[in-house]
Amino acid sequence: DTAVSQTPKYLVTQMGNDKSIKCEQNLGHDTMYWYKQDSKKFLKIMFSYNNKELIINETVPNRFSPKSPDKAHLNLHINSLELGDSAVYFCASSQGTRTEQYFGPGTRLTVT
Amino acid sequence: GNSVTQMEGPVTLSEEAFLTINCTYTATGYPSLFWYVQYPGEGLQLLLKATKADDKGSNKGFEATYRKETTSFHLEKGSVQVSDSAVYFCALGGSQGNLIFGKGTKLSVKP
Repeated sequence: DTAVSQTPKYLVTQMGNDKSIKCEQNLGHDTMYWYKQDSKKFLKIMFSYNNKELIINETVPNRFSPKSPDKAHLNLHINSLELGDSAVYFCASSQGTRTEQYFGPGTRLTVT
Repeated sequence: GNSVTQMEGPVTLSEEAFLTINCTYTATGYPSLFWYVQYPGEGLQLLLKATKADDKGSNKGFEATYRKETTSFHLEKGSVQVSDSAVYFCALGGSQGNLIFGKGTKLSVKP
């Protein structure tokens, strides 16, 4: 049973489109995150939710909007996709905000 | 602000060689420290962690000790295998729970 799952695994789309990435965790954790990994493998936090409330919102364009319908899900919606949005997006979860995080397999987004 | 610096790669070793990947950090307070590993095409897996000074994290033959005096958390393994080939990330726990990562070190182990 996959602990943190993401769909889709690959996403190829054109500039200007709107797309969503879904994340689900079955670990019973109360905190979920979105990270972006660029082409040089650098990882950076984008958003964090604790008990469905936004607690971290890094300097990310407002074209990116996270939504947490419940503690087990954190989705990422991206409007008006740009070439620079191409990256691998990782979802993660943890119990509380000061413990280890468990990562999903990633979604490779390619914008053409 | 908090930050992590780890040695640039790539690192290429022969099987059974000794591995050290250096990691130093800058932080206020006493953050938890982590090593994550990313195998090709996969997500990140927690390799080991340490939550306070002098703690030693260990897993699968890898070890790292939380050194407050040198603000370091170097990763070591006595004898690497081909299957250890991956990208290794040092990270510290930020004040809001986010992980702050180093740039990653790619390790290639040759038979």
